[in-house]
Amino acid sequence: GIQVEQSPPDLILQEGANSTLRCNFSDSVNNLQWFHQNPWGQLINLFYIPSGTKQNGRLSATTVATERYSLLYISSSQTTDSGVYFCAVEGTFNTDKLIFGTGTRLQVFP
Amino acid sequence: EPEVTQTPSHQVTQMGQEVILRCVPISNHLYFYWYRQILGQKVEFLVSFYNNEISEKSEIFDDQFSVERPDGSNFTLKIRSTKLEDSAMYFCASGGDRDQPQHFGDGTRLSIL
Repeated sequence: GIQVEQSPPDLILQEGANSTLRCNFSDSVNNLQWFHQNPWGQLINLFYIPSGTKQNGRLSATTVATERYSLLYISSSQTTDSGVYFCAVEGTFNTDKLIFGTGTRLQVFP
Repeated sequence: EPEVTQTPSHQVTQMGQEVILRCVPISNHLYFYWYRQILGQKVEFLVSFYNNEISEKSEIFDDQFSVERPDGSNFTLKIRSTKLEDSAMYFCASGGDRDQPQHFGDGTRLSIL
């Protein structure tokens, strides 16, 4: 099956800093989503981005499907950005399940 | 914005008991999913459901588990004879189509004692 790797595994930032999170996947995908898991365990849907670039406020994401990676950019980070960021992909062959990466744990300090 | 709702938010059960986790997907969605996340680990797929039948299931989804859409709005996950290792956060998700994003509920935290 598809392998999904995220880097870095852990990231510690001071408030106001920018960061880039990476998601590599091993095969073609139909769907790619970025999620933020907050300290209460909720999975917040950030982006649905199988290809191209999208922006939402301080967050943006780019997926280069042909090179099998996606990037999540967080600018001017805030303490509320803390949590775990997951990338999840859906393969192309007769499946619609999401395969999650192991996540990037982000801690933002004031 | 429409949401996927899950109940209960937290369930504590004795080992060996049966539990039913409930989900109300977004109303016009056709694809339904259950995932689980053991504490500190990544989210894992359990089962997908479309047109009143299971379309795909993982190795985790053995005979202990079953899913049902008993009416036009609810989607349930039943776990029979629970084990300690079933303790996890269980997420329900729904999607409008296979090329559309999956929307997740807030999860049910299941604790088996």
